[in-house]
Amino acid sequence: NAGVMQNPRHLVRRRGQEARLRCSPMKGHSHVYWYRQLPEEGLKFMVYLQKENIIDESGMPKERFSAEFPKEGPSILRIQQVVRGDSAAYFCASSPSTGSPTFGSGTRLTVV
Amino acid sequence: GQQVMQIPQYQHVQEGEDFTTYCNSSTTLSNIQWYKQRPGGHPVFLIQLVKSGEVKKQKRLTFQFGEAKKNSSLHITATQTTDVGTYFCAGPGSGGSNYKLTFGKGTLLTVNP
Repeated sequence: NAGVMQNPRHLVRRRGQEARLRCSPMKGHSHVYWYRQLPEEGLKFMVYLQKENIIDESGMPKERFSAEFPKEGPSILRIQQVVRGDSAAYFCASSPSTGSPTFGSGTRLTVV
Repeated sequence: GQQVMQIPQYQHVQEGEDFTTYCNSSTTLSNIQWYKQRPGGHPVFLIQLVKSGEVKKQKRLTFQFGEAKKNSSLHITATQTTDVGTYFCAGPGSGGSNYKLTFGKGTLLTVNP
């Protein structure tokens, strides 16, 4: 009974490159959320998705960031033209409904 | 917008001492959740409190929700080295949406064996 699976665990990108973060929700969970955690900070909500739909993206930066949850396959958080300020831990979470989410192990993104 | 404040930011204790972290919201909350994150790990759900004045216990952990539903506390009795980590409280977002949690900055607990 796998939990929320995220990969890669660690990702290093040079400034200007693209970062793709993947998340497979727990089995039976149709709601996916992405949160970002800056060093020594709490988690900040980014986006909430259901299959093929973005429900709430009010926490997403207006530019360079996008998210999708296709009918088949994992949810993807995509960051284009990364900058140093994008360095953070990105956590995906899932739930069967809008209940308390279960978090994945996260992707630690480092932009050099 | 809604703000969730936690104090203290850091707490270092000797093993066996008690520990308390406090959480205050700028708005009334429909519920409050607590998470623990080990160093280098991910947030793990501990508990959700819903009722005004609610008190819940999990072994050495006691969680309390204030009467006005704007504050909460987590108390650990007789800390152990396994308690090390950052404890976050989180409240639902605007409109009571449980998915759009607003997290406090957390209290980092370190325990000296």
